[in-house]
Amino acid sequence: GESVGLHLPTLSVQEGDNSIINCAYSNSASDYFIWYKQESGKGPQFIIDIRSNMDKRQGQRVTVLLNKTVKHLSLQIAATQPGDSAVYFCAEMGFPGNQFYFGTGTSLTVIP
Amino acid sequence: ETGVTQTPRHLVMGMTNKKSLKCEQHLGHNAMYWYKQSAKKPLELMFVYNFKEQTENNSVPSRFSPECPNSSHLFLHLHTLQPEDSALYLCASSQGEWYGYTFGSGTRLTVV
Repeated sequence: GESVGLHLPTLSVQEGDNSIINCAYSNSASDYFIWYKQESGKGPQFIIDIRSNMDKRQGQRVTVLLNKTVKHLSLQIAATQPGDSAVYFCAEMGFPGNQFYFGTGTSLTVIP
Repeated sequence: ETGVTQTPRHLVMGMTNKKSLKCEQHLGHNAMYWYKQSAKKPLELMFVYNFKEQTENNSVPSRFSPECPNSSHLFLHLHTLQPEDSALYLCASSQGEWYGYTFGSGTRLTVV
């Protein structure tokens, strides 16, 4: 079955520093990945996605990197702000069923 | 607001009660989903509806009964639940299988 996991359950960074959140996936056939952010009391919110024909995709202050060789996904947040404090999930579109498989999440805390 | 609205936000129910969770989206999406989110565990897909037809039931106990009367509304009927069913229940919608999901804020369910 699918296995999606993050390397660290918690991460603390100083405000203004860059954050890197990692995710490993198990299905080499997966070709669509999404990062979600979940703040306390809210549902997961879409941040950025990437398809397997790309290695890197940039958004506003966020970059997703995909390494298909080692089945690794990362989310980089530039100049981390207190509002970035949340739990971050990676999700992999896998088979069968064409459904998303989610990791357990990394809790990011930004220290002012 | 994400465009996906869930009610109620919080629900406490006894093991013999019957209650329903409601989800509504006006994003024009054709697919709707129920997920269960428990502490320290990945999001668990429960049910998938595409164009009002159920296309996925991930071995969910029969005490959970979904209903999708139209593409904009999704219900989860609850009956004779167990304390281990206490969790955050998230509804999501998407344009289709290969698109990211928009989540609601969830219903925090406590079974006593």
